[in-house]
Amino acid sequence: GEDVEQSLFLSVREGDSSVINCTYTDSSSTYLYWYKQEPGAGLQLLTYIFSNMDMKQDQRLTVLLNKKDKHLSLRIADTQTGDSAIYFCAESGGYQKVTFGTGTKLQVIP
Amino acid sequence: DAGITQSPRHKVTETGTPVTLRCHQTENHRYMYWYRQDPGHGLRLIHYSYGVKDTDKGEVSDGYSVSRSKTEDFLLTLESATSSQTSVYFCAINSGSADTQYFGPGTRLTVL
Repeated sequence: GEDVEQSLFLSVREGDSSVINCTYTDSSSTYLYWYKQEPGAGLQLLTYIFSNMDMKQDQRLTVLLNKKDKHLSLRIADTQTGDSAIYFCAESGGYQKVTFGTGTKLQVIP
Repeated sequence: DAGITQSPRHKVTETGTPVTLRCHQTENHRYMYWYRQDPGHGLRLIHYSYGVKDTDKGEVSDGYSVSRSKTEDFLLTLESATSSQTSVYFCAINSGSADTQYFGPGTRLTVL
């Protein structure tokens, strides 16, 4: 079945760039997503990328997709303390279902 | 805001009791989902619905049942709650655009 893997934790200093990485197994995924979860809240869709794209930029967020290696990354430029959260990578698995990774906790040090 | 609410937001119950969680949406989306979130496991799909009275199992459906009698409401029932069902439960809808899912605020359930 589909599997999505992420590292558990990332710590960066305020103002630096953060890069969160993800690997997935389903080569037929049509869309790949990044979600953000703040404490006590639900998941918030940050951005998504269509599988035939290599890159997508949205303000401070840059998504890179390496389809050959099944690797997805999220770069946050000029990371702020408000970016501290858990970030989930996810892939569409057909039948309107999505498989989520275990999440990467981003800690931003002032 | 996808107009998704969940109730209750917090619940403490005892082992062996039935529990029903409610998800309500205001935007007439066809697909709805129930997930549980546990440390180290991310989100795992319990059940989902693709229309009124149309439901199917996810990867962790044992001990759970669902019902959808109206488009806007999707109910998750723990038939006889166990401590292993202590978790945070999230409801989601599929927006129909790029299969993007939008989530409710969650229900924290503790089974003693």
